Amino acid sequence: GDSVTQMEGPVTLSEEAFLTINCTYTATGYPSLFWYVQYPGEGLQLLLKATKADDKGSNKGFEATYRKETTSFHLEKGSVQVSDSAVYFCALSDRDTGNQFYFGTGTSLTVIP
Amino acid sequence: DSGVTQTPKHLITATGQRVTLRCSPRSGDLSVYWYQQSLDQGLQFLIQYYNGEERAKGNILERFSAQQFPDLHSELNLSSLELGDSALYFCASSRTMAFGNTIYFGEGSWLTVV
Repeated sequence: GDSVTQMEGPVTLSEEAFLTINCTYTATGYPSLFWYVQYPGEGLQLLLKATKADDKGSNKGFEATYRKETTSFHLEKGSVQVSDSAVYFCALSDRDTGNQFYFGTGTSLTVIP
Repeated sequence: DSGVTQTPKHLITATGQRVTLRCSPRSGDLSVYWYQQSLDQGLQFLIQYYNGEERAKGNILERFSAQQFPDLHSELNLSSLELGDSALYFCASSRTMAFGNTIYFGEGSWLTVV
């Protein structure tokens, strides 16, 4: 069945460091891929998405590229800020399973000044 | 603000009791999803409705039930509550079930069972 695997946390970085959060997926069909972010005390918010191979989603300095050959959608940011501290969830939506959403377990990021 | 409204925000109740969580989707959204988030289980999909009909079921216990009403709001009913049901319950909505569609989350309902 469909699933998403993302790197274990928690991740702690200094301000302005480079961020990578790995995400790989398994899907029976041809999925859309998403990154959601959850700030403390809030619901999940869409950060970025990509709907076909080689598409790059980007928002607020974050980027992720849909790599079909490696079934990956790694999240990157060149210079993190304290305000990026949150939990990040990778997710997929697969047309072959009625566009159901499957979420990874989440990766907690703490950025220290 | 995602436009998805959930009530109540916080709820404390005793074991064995029953509670109802309410969700109003974004204006125009036809699909509603329910998720449970706990520390040990992560984000678990419970159930999805589309325009009043159940479309998918995930890891929803038999003690839990949900429905979506003609005005598209949804309720999640949790009964015979156990300590392990303490969690954050999210509602999410989407316009349709089309490929690539984004789902938008509410801020959640914190349930504490004592």
